[in-house]
Amino acid sequence: DAGITQSPRHKVTETGTPVTLRCHQTENHRYMYWYRQDPGHGLRLIHYSYGVKDTDKGEVSDGYSVSRSKTEDFLLTLESATSSQTSVYFCAISRDREYEQYFGPGTRLTVT
Amino acid sequence: GNSVTQMEGPVTLSEEAFLTINCTYTATGYPSLFWYVQYPGEGLQLLLKATKADDKGSNKGFEATYRKETTSFHLEKGSVQVSDSAVYFCALSYSGGTSYGKLTFGQGTILTVHP
Repeated sequence: DAGITQSPRHKVTETGTPVTLRCHQTENHRYMYWYRQDPGHGLRLIHYSYGVKDTDKGEVSDGYSVSRSKTEDFLLTLESATSSQTSVYFCAISRDREYEQYFGPGTRLTVT
Repeated sequence: GNSVTQMEGPVTLSEEAFLTINCTYTATGYPSLFWYVQYPGEGLQLLLKATKADDKGSNKGFEATYRKETTSFHLEKGSVQVSDSAVYFCALSYSGGTSYGKLTFGQGTILTVHP
């Protein structure tokens, strides 16, 4: 199994509070991705990174920001959480863009 | 833009039945195609992949063939087991241009296999 961990695994937070989710990899892969999973939508890309300090937006990036200061860590921040951001968040890594992606175990976030 | 359409679920089968989950796609260029599986409470695992037309991906008894003429990548298994119960996702990745290998997913198909 690819060495990917996500923290926390579960979180409940209140509307308006900031939240940061962490993805950590031990594979030294260049690409990292954040997806959210919602019923009926499959997985949708939020942001991705193609190197340290190199990030770009995905299809559902509004309300989210990311940072990557080290190869192994990719942080997803909800600056002011809303109920519509209640979801399961998955991190994925890939050696390069033409290779398959490997997924972390997910973080279940509930915004009340 | 790129898109993936999977057959509506849920799919319920008896053990040892034949499985087909349909997947069709729309994409520019020549994407790579994937099937991922998600067991309850877990992340997604890569099941199989195909990177060019007529390629057949296979793993754990599952197969899918990349059909460019019909833009399809249907998942099949000849004899399902209870342990195959999971959610199956079809996805495509296009590494050209500025796409950076982003995956586009179908909505997922829930499979339940009864003894």
